[in-house]
Amino acid sequence: DTEVTQTPKHLVMGMTNKKSLKCEQHMGHRAMYWYKQKAKKPPELMFVYSYEKLSINESVPSRFSPECPNSSLLNLHLHALQPEDSALYLCASSQGPFGLAGVSSYHEQFFGPGTRLTVL
Amino acid sequence: SQQGEEDPQALSIQEGENATMNCSYKTSINNLQWYRQNSGRGLVHLILIRSNEREKHSGRLRVTLDTSKKSSSLLITASRAADTASYFCATPYTGGFKTIFGAGTRLFVKA
Repeated sequence: DTEVTQTPKHLVMGMTNKKSLKCEQHMGHRAMYWYKQKAKKPPELMFVYSYEKLSINESVPSRFSPECPNSSLLNLHLHALQPEDSALYLCASSQGPFGLAGVSSYHEQFFGPGTRLTVL
Repeated sequence: SQQGEEDPQALSIQEGENATMNCSYKTSINNLQWYRQNSGRGLVHLILIRSNEREKHSGRLRVTLDTSKKSSSLLITASRAADTASYFCATPYTGGFKTIFGAGTRLFVKA
């Protein structure tokens, strides 16, 4: 199974709502990522989890709260969002950045189809 | 600023023609990757080229890398309408955890 799944596909929420985005992969990847993508822009990294631990937080506002319950699942909890947070949220996974010799390398990332989020 | 910058921003060609997209980056890298994104969907990995490689092929794709100029190009030969998508170059950063995507080239192939 070389697929990354994301739910829901579309989400409309008010600024006072609490919602969660979910991401799942069964490729045995130990690195998982959240990206935010605005229209006609490249994806921007939000968070990186490596071995279920948060490795990178790109100064994301606290109204976005990531969670990695196990090696296959990644959640993004949303609370008190703003209209400017409307975007496509992409999840990705990879084998991890480190090679067998412990040397920093890079593996391709597998992306999910994304969740289109609209904040009213 | 972004690690990778791409040109052109948009490209419109006829089916059967070749499409060339360029990417420039700013810091040293150990590899560079190209991804494709169909409208509003997730990204799909196309090809990875390592810093000690100058050229790599995959089907109708040809990627070159010039580390002295800090640039890469993606050539799609004999384009098809299905190649219509946005194409991004991507470079690893910060020990490999972080990926920086270029601004992207929007390719439109007319049937």
